[in-house]
Amino acid sequence: SQQGEEDPQALSIQEGENATMNCSYKTSINNLQWYRQNSGRGLVHLILIRSNEREKHSGRLRVTLDTSKKSSSLLITASRAADTASYFCATLGMKTSYDKVIFGPGTSLSVIP
Amino acid sequence: EAGVAQSPRYKIIEKRQSVAFWCNPISGHATLYWYQQILGQGPKLLIQFQNNGVVDDSQLPKDRFSAERLKGVDSTLKIQPAKLEDSAVYLCASSRRPGQASYGYTFGSGTRLTVV
Repeated sequence: SQQGEEDPQALSIQEGENATMNCSYKTSINNLQWYRQNSGRGLVHLILIRSNEREKHSGRLRVTLDTSKKSSSLLITASRAADTASYFCATLGMKTSYDKVIFGPGTSLSVIP
Repeated sequence: EAGVAQSPRYKIIEKRQSVAFWCNPISGHATLYWYQQILGQGPKLLIQFQNNGVVDDSQLPKDRFSAERLKGVDSTLKIQPAKLEDSAVYLCASSRRPGQASYGYTFGSGTRLTVV
């Protein structure tokens, strides 16, 4: 079974609005990562937050992590049409011998110009 | 630095045929991953290499899928024979070392396989 589950599955907003996507996971993690995937392309790493961090910013992106609730959120502020893509959260497990990153099913974001 | 290179970009085959995908990771990245992404789903890890050794292949359908990473650099993923349900995008990713995955993976553009 997949570790991460994004919510909502699909999101449609107007350009300039903020977009919030949530991710829940089941077991303890080393870190949580967010990726973007444009249609027909590979995944692009956006931001990583470690288990001992609560909030992280990168440009228009803000990620929060609540390990007590096993959840994370990705906020994209002042959205642009170019932000239209699928967004995936991925969790890195706690094994020390090797890492294993597991992806959720993704949130499809549409930003309407 | 150059990205992760994958080829071919697209492939259409008939069921029961065989197909191979190629991946060249970022130079110096010891860890290489193959993911399968079915339309509308998140990527699923098929196999993970550390240098030229297999670290995790628990979700690789070994009766039909095989992968190798010769000399710890390039990797090939093969399907033989293909089934309709193998239609997906096959993504290759790399990272420096297991611990360095803390900085995220770099993905290639993927190979879109259609089995008819």
